[in-house]
Amino acid sequence: KNQVEQSPQSLIILEGKNCTLQCNYTVSPFSNLRWYKQDTGRGPVSLTIMTFSENTKSNGRYTATLDADTKQSSLHITASQLSDSASYICVVRTDKLIFGTGTRLQVFP
Amino acid sequence: GAVVSQHPSWVICKSGTSVKIECRSLDFQATTMFWYRQFPKQSLMLMATSNEGSKATYEQGVEKDKFLINHASLTLSTLTVTSAHPEDSSFYICSARGLAFYEQYFGPGTRLTVT
Repeated sequence: KNQVEQSPQSLIILEGKNCTLQCNYTVSPFSNLRWYKQDTGRGPVSLTIMTFSENTKSNGRYTATLDADTKQSSLHITASQLSDSASYICVVRTDKLIFGTGTRLQVFP
Repeated sequence: GAVVSQHPSWVICKSGTSVKIECRSLDFQATTMFWYRQFPKQSLMLMATSNEGSKATYEQGVEKDKFLINHASLTLSTLTVTSAHPEDSSFYICSARGLAFYEQYFGPGTRLTVT
């Protein structure tokens, strides 16, 4: 069964700190892996997309990694800002998009 | 970048009435549109996929007679929730993909509350 699991479910950090979100997947066949940011009451916005051959991809303060052998990905957020408070969703594409349940990040001043 | 809009952004309706939600691709032609539903603290769940000019393909467990999807043009798809009930209250998100696109772009979502 195709599954995408994320951890932690929720995370609270102080502004300026770094954090790392985890994603494990069992999806076949694998096409690509995406990280999305979803603000409360809004649709998801793409942060990064990685194919099988890509290990790292950055988008500003967001850096995603992919280990296709262990089927794990991480999203690292550097120097967090209050506006980073959102849900972060790991999505793996096969013949369709398989969504993780997300990590709810709260950044406090 | 590609922009997808939804209208309305939120709607409240009485039980038994029908509600139509529009999804538009503003700056590209969307050959395929997707409709998702998201309950609080849960992930997006695909309801149906529609290709322009064709009947929508519904996911298992989604009632096609209750959730009517029309994709009559390359820039517009509509989702009509017929005879809405309180359990249909949810956040509905559409997504669009163009013919040459690697990416699937999401709309801002529509919050439906059925009283």
